[in-house]
Parts: sequence; structure tokens; C-alpha cells
Amino acid sequence: DTEVTQTPKHLVMGMTNKKSLKCEQHMGHRAMYWYKQKAKKPPELMFVYSYEKLSINESVPSRFSPECPNSSLLNLHLHALQPEDSALYLCASSQSTQWTGGGGGEKLFFGSGTQLSVL
Amino acid sequence: RKEVEQDPGPFNVPEGATVAFNCTYSNSASQSFFWYRQDCRKEPKLLMSVYSSGNEDGRFTAQLNRASQYISLLIRDSKLSDSATYLCVVNRGTGNQFYFGTGTSLTVIP
Repeated sequence: DTEVTQTPKHLVMGMTNKKSLKCEQHMGHRAMYWYKQKAKKPPELMFVYSYEKLSINESVPSRFSPECPNSSLLNLHLHALQPEDSALYLCASSQSTQWTGGGGGEKLFFGSGTQLSVL
Repeated sequence: RKEVEQDPGPFNVPEGATVAFNCTYSNSASQSFFWYRQDCRKEPKLLMSVYSSGNEDGRFTAQLNRASQYISLLIRDSKLSDSATYLCVVNRGTGNQFYFGTGTSLTVIP
């Protein structure tokens, strides 16, 4: 099973709403990521969790709040978003947090994403 | 200088053509290299890891040149289904930082 599952697939929210994106993997991966992708641009890293601890926050505004309840789950809580936050939000996971000599542990596996529209 | 640079294209090629994409990376300490494929409004999917010895998977060949710090992807006998954006991804190996190129758009024309 090499699947990362994200829900919902689509989300429309107003600027005063609170919503959450969910991500799940059962591959035993110890690193999980949130990326944001705008049209015709590459994914931009937002957060990295390593062994359930936040290890990287790429200066993301506080209206985005990540949470890692356990090693399989990753959430992204959204509050008071702006229209410019509309994008594809991708969750990803990788087996380990450091290079494993080419053994494949460093590969990123992506979920299918949540297409978010903020009105 | 960007960590990873790619020619964004677009590349428009006829079916059956051979097309090559290149990608350069700036950090000589980079350890892992990948090509991902992304279809419109879909997630990136791993196409190939790239090894120093070069590797081939069917019509796809990936090469790594550490001395010149570039990675290449060659697609032979292009199919319509190869139309997508191809992302070059580099990992330094010292943490969780995966660096993405801007992506190269390929359209295979009948």
C-alpha cells in the first residue's frame, strides 16, 4: 500500500470559516508534509513533521495551523483565510527523515490533494 | 540562485519523437534526485529516481552528472499519454528539504 489519502478533495470556504484538511498514510512513514501549489507553479513547502514533531515551518501565516495527532495522521486547520490562499494543498509522506543511501527512504509520496477555494 | 532550475518549456512534440529535459541544481552536497510527473490538477507522482550510473525504465532514461550538477530525463517514442508537467526534485539528504524545479510542460501532438 503506497497510498496517501487526503480529504476533502474539494473545499469552498468563506473568509470567516474554520475548516480542516485531513491526511492519512499507513506506510509507516515517519515524515509528513504539507505543500501548497498554485496553478502552473511547483509545490511550495509549508510544514514538515518528523516523528510527529513539527520540524520545519516555512514562515507560514498563523491562519494555517498544522497538527499531527499520531504517526499516521496529519491535519491542517484553516481559519480566516484570504482569497489568495486558494490553491491545491498537497499532503506527502516519506519513509525517513534523512538520506538512506539511495535505498528509497527519501522518496516523497503525495496524496491527491485538496483543491481549496476561498471566497 | 535557485536551488533547482528547469526549462519550463513548453515542449510540443509529435507522437513518436524523442524529447529530453534537463535540470540543474546548485548545491553540490545534494544526495537524492528524482523526476516526478504531474498531470493537470493532480498530485505529482514519482516517475523515476535518478542514480549516478543512470537508469532506464522502458522508454524513460534518467541520467545524473554530479560534476556538472545536472539531471536529465529522456523520453523515447513519445505517446499522447506522456503529456504532463515533469518536475525535477532534489534532496540534500540532511533533512526533509525536497527542492522542486519549476516543472517542464510537455505536450505530445498526434
